[in-house]
Amino acid sequence: NAGVTQTPKFQVLKTGQSMTLQCAQDMNHNSMYWYRQDPGMGLRLIYYSASEGTTDKGEVPNGYNVSRLNKRDFSIRLESAAPSQTSVYFCASNGRRHQPQHFGDGTRLSIL
Amino acid sequence: RKEVEQDPGPFNVPEGATVAFNCTYSNSASQSFFWYRQDCRKEPKLLMSVYSSGNEDGRFTAQLNRASQYISLLIRDSKLSDSATYLCVVGHNDMRFGAGTRLTVKP
Repeated sequence: NAGVTQTPKFQVLKTGQSMTLQCAQDMNHNSMYWYRQDPGMGLRLIYYSASEGTTDKGEVPNGYNVSRLNKRDFSIRLESAAPSQTSVYFCASNGRRHQPQHFGDGTRLSIL
Repeated sequence: RKEVEQDPGPFNVPEGATVAFNCTYSNSASQSFFWYRQDCRKEPKLLMSVYSSGNEDGRFTAQLNRASQYISLLIRDSKLSDSATYLCVVGHNDMRFGAGTRLTVKP
């Protein structure tokens, strides 16, 4: 039972490099989310997708782009990485908006 | 003011103790409430949903007070394995997470 799978688990980038983080869920969920978690702060929503082909901005969308080409996959791209984007990134999914979310095990991203 | 606020702790308690956490939220129209548990450097995992009438799951009891806009989590008979960070989550148009309350249960 894979649930939500994120790749890669760790990545180090130089400032200005680009990178796509991948997320896939096998629970047939409609909604998917990308969060970042920084020390001393709660998870903050970057982008979410209520259904295949739709995406919406969350609390902190600047510097990111997302893509939801099918129900299973939701990717997030950093076009020009900045040190402020150093964080742990979590992908999550749920069946409907007010249901509990299931999380992937995170991507630890460092930007030098 | 943050939308969801929690006491960051840490709470250090002996095994067998009872410990309670509160979480306040600012949006009175919030519709869904959860407690998640997060172990160090791991993903958040659902501990329990919080229902209007209050609910219990083994040693864990969750309460919702809509009038005062807070939710609470009570852990009875603490175990070493309860050591973790507990995240309060409140949903309206999207989910908002508290920064978490850290609990350490000691022998």
